[in-house]
Amino acid sequence: AQRVTQPEKLLSVFKGAPVELKCNYSYSGSPELFWYVQYSRQRLQLLLRHISRESIKGFTADLNKGETSFHLKKPFAQEEDSAMYYCALSLGRSGYSTLTFGKGTMLLVSP
Amino acid sequence: DVKVTQSSRYLVKRTGEKVFLECVQDMDHENMFWYRQDPGLGLRLIYFSYDVKMKEKGDIPEGYSVSREKKERFSLILESASTNQTSMYLCASSFRRGGQPQHFGDGTRLSIL
Repeated sequence: AQRVTQPEKLLSVFKGAPVELKCNYSYSGSPELFWYVQYSRQRLQLLLRHISRESIKGFTADLNKGETSFHLKKPFAQEEDSAMYYCALSLGRSGYSTLTFGKGTMLLVSP
Repeated sequence: DVKVTQSSRYLVKRTGEKVFLECVQDMDHENMFWYRQDPGLGLRLIYFSYDVKMKEKGDIPEGYSVSREKKERFSLILESASTNQTSMYLCASSFRRGGQPQHFGDGTRLSIL
C-alpha cells in the first residue's frame, strides 16, 4: 500500500506565481514528515521537517492530520526553486525508523 | 557538516558481474541506508543497517546484499548484475533516534550492459 502520494509528476509555474506541491500520506500512528529537494546535479537534501515548523527558502509545509496531507507551499516562486521535490514519511520498521518516499514532483519555474 | 561519500559517480558493468558499491559517512551515524532512484518511481529502500554487522531488508532487496563491517562504511553488493539493476543508487545515513533526517551521498549511476 502506497504510504506517500504525490499526485503531480510535474508542476510548471511562472516566476512570482504561488506554488503548492501536494503530498498525502497514509499512516495510523503519529506521522513524522519531511520534504527533500534535489537540484540539478546535486545531492538529495532535506528541505524541511514538519516537527520544526520552520520556513526554509520561503517554503512552508503544514501537517493536516484531518486531510492526511503535508503540502509544500511558497507564495512567490523563483527560478532557482526548479528542482525535484520528494515528500517522505518516517516509519517504524523492525523497531527502527526508515523513510518512505513519494514518487516526487518536478517543479519547473519559468521566467 | 555531514559528509556521505559514495566511491563512484558512474559505473559500467556487464551482466553477471559481481558489483560492489561503497559508501562512507563521517558523522558517527548508527543508521545507514541504500536506495535506488528511478524516474517515476521515486526512491525505494533496498537495505538498511542500524549497527555494525546488522542489516534489515527494505522494500526491494531481491538481487542485492549488503555488508557493514565498520560503523562508517556500508556496502551494497549486486551478486550477479542484471540489466534491470541499471539505476541511480543513493546511500544515506542518520542517527538512530527516531524521526532524524537522513543525509544523502551524491549517488552512483550504475549501468549494466
